[in-house]
Amino acid sequence: SAVISQKPSRDICQRGTSLTIQCQVDSQVTMMFWYRQQPGQSLTLIATANQGSEATYESGFVIDKFPISRPNLTFSTLTVSNMSPEDSSIYLCSVGRGPYNEQFFGPGTRLTVL
Amino acid sequence: AQTVTQSQPEMSVQEAETVTLSCTYDTSENNYYLFWYKQPPSRQMILVIRQEAYKQQNATENRFSVNFQKAAKSFSLKISDSQLGDTAMYFCAFMMGISNFGNEKLTFGTGTRLTIIP
Repeated sequence: SAVISQKPSRDICQRGTSLTIQCQVDSQVTMMFWYRQQPGQSLTLIATANQGSEATYESGFVIDKFPISRPNLTFSTLTVSNMSPEDSSIYLCSVGRGPYNEQFFGPGTRLTVL
Repeated sequence: AQTVTQSQPEMSVQEAETVTLSCTYDTSENNYYLFWYKQPPSRQMILVIRQEAYKQQNATENRFSVNFQKAAKSFSLKISDSQLGDTAMYFCAFMMGISNFGNEKLTFGTGTRLTIIP
């Protein structure tokens, strides 16, 4: 398994502001993943963060809205920019481990935008 | 692109009974992995069980087992002797085979909310 922490665990933000979410892993990993889980919904991949290169974004997600940093092999940040109430979600990071690259998730960040 | 379908939004079962959650998927890939994740109210995503597509034998983890039908693209989860702690959202997920490096992302189904009744 993997020990993954996220900060903050939750936050309430005002419309138009930005929030940066941190994800810390207990050992080095090549790729980190950021997911969004809207209220009552499933998880949707936002982007894949590879250390030393630009993040790869999924359809419907853009770098200007969700900039990602990956400064080293144990850490990544996701920023939710210019927030609106529609951004209210749980944001989760994950990493792959083991021979089958099973995904292990952080505890998530619950974001509420007023 | 892959799709994962869970047709049971909610289910409930009495404690100690057996319950089966359904999942179907669509892919043109031959090498892939399937997972069941559990998300209790704490919102932590917990890996329950994994199945490799190239294995015919169904995976088993204690009270949890799967019925993997590759030709039918079906991947159901059976929970035996259900316990109150099994109450959670259950998500079926698909991942392409590890040979496709860089494609380890998961595609999730919409989830099934399972309630275990005392």
